Amino acid sequence: ETGVTQTPRHLVMGMTNKKSLKCEQHLGHNAMYWYKQSAKKPLELMFVYSLEERVENNSVPSRFSPECPNSSHLFLHLHTLQPEDSALYLCASSQVPTSANTGELFFGEGSRLTVL
Amino acid sequence: GQQVMQIPQYQHVQEGEDFTTYCNSSTTLSNIQWYKQRPGGHPVFLIQLVKSGEVKKQKRLTFQFGEAKKNSSLHITATQTTDVGTYFCAGRSSGYSTLTFGKGTMLLVSP
Repeated sequence: ETGVTQTPRHLVMGMTNKKSLKCEQHLGHNAMYWYKQSAKKPLELMFVYSLEERVENNSVPSRFSPECPNSSHLFLHLHTLQPEDSALYLCASSQVPTSANTGELFFGEGSRLTVL
Repeated sequence: GQQVMQIPQYQHVQEGEDFTTYCNSSTTLSNIQWYKQRPGGHPVFLIQLVKSGEVKKQKRLTFQFGEAKKNSSLHITATQTTDVGTYFCAGRSSGYSTLTFGKGTMLLVSP
């Protein structure tokens, strides 16, 4: 139990479907992240929310849409995805790094997405 | 932008042998973190290094941060099958920037 819960753990969707990934953290952190992990690629940072404000969007296609309604919840809305979007989507949370803390990331178990 | 390279990509050792993975950044880092991801699992934080030339130990794991703060290494002494997984380094260019991850080194340990 990492304190970061992701649902669903597995998702299969067609290219015309709309689905959402959900992440919830119980650690009292003030920053949340979406990462994409594909085979043979480094962890790709997609979005960062710090204090509920989106502070980073790494050129992610508009078919991925994040939502952070509060500091404990993060969503990734998916629509008209492509087969190359199939990957493990990892949510993480942290304290915003300061001189007093490492800002280490706590990852959820991930949502394994397959786009047919 | 900042790039973090990690080598080797993959290593297979016999149980009891040592293992080292190296991490190099294209820019000077403020700090560097190491994570371990077990097969089928998620990355788990191991340690953070901040000071130039810093060396930290966790049982059989030794972490080093280079003098120029552009490279780092993780050395495992006498590997065990429980060490199997992918080891990632992740660096920050400033104290408050987001982490840039390396591609990771996958370690396989045969009994």
